[in-house]
Amino acid sequence: SQTIHQWPATLVQPVGSPLSLECTVEGTSNPNLYWYRQAAGRGLQLLFYSVGIGQISSEVPQNLSASRPQDRQFILSSKKLLLSDSGFYLCAWSMFTDTQYFGPGTRLTVL
Amino acid sequence: GENVEQHPSTLSVQEGDSAVIKCTYSDSASNYFPWYKQELGKRPQLIIDIRSNVGEKKDQRIAVTLNKTAKHFSLHITETQPEDSAVYFCAATRPGGTSYGKLTFGQGTILTVHP
Repeated sequence: SQTIHQWPATLVQPVGSPLSLECTVEGTSNPNLYWYRQAAGRGLQLLFYSVGIGQISSEVPQNLSASRPQDRQFILSSKKLLLSDSGFYLCAWSMFTDTQYFGPGTRLTVL
Repeated sequence: GENVEQHPSTLSVQEGDSAVIKCTYSDSASNYFPWYKQELGKRPQLIIDIRSNVGEKKDQRIAVTLNKTAKHFSLHITETQPEDSAVYFCAATRPGGTSYGKLTFGQGTILTVHP
């Protein structure tokens, strides 16, 4: 069966510091991968999605970037965090059925 | 692009009552409609989904109905229990092309079931 991992689970970072969040999927090959952000009490905002290694589509222009160095690895990065980057970051995967399955998430607080 | 509107934003019911959440979508080509439940501090979990070739789908106390003509779909929860309290999200996606697998989510409904 498939499993999706995210780390770290929680992160507290100062404004202006860099960021690296990692997502990996086990038990499947060439999944579609997604990064979402959820602000407190709000809905799900799609940030990036990827249909293959090195293929990244950005939904919202901002100071975040994404990379997919391996088939089942998806990384979310920032060179300089803003206060508005605080939130719950969720990675998700899907295959041919369009159904998306979410990882456990990373709760990021920028101070 | 696709736009999904979800109502109501909050819903409060007594234990044992039914709850209904409605979503409308804009893209007539959308053909897959999942519903997710998100408990506080946790990830969204898929609870039921429906495809455009089906009008209704049930799973125990949960059902989803789809009206393609009117472009709306609804989640029905019967005999609600306190553990049904959560935020519920609807979503929609169209097949193929550059939008493959890209879900558009509604704004969410906070459901509270009072014992």
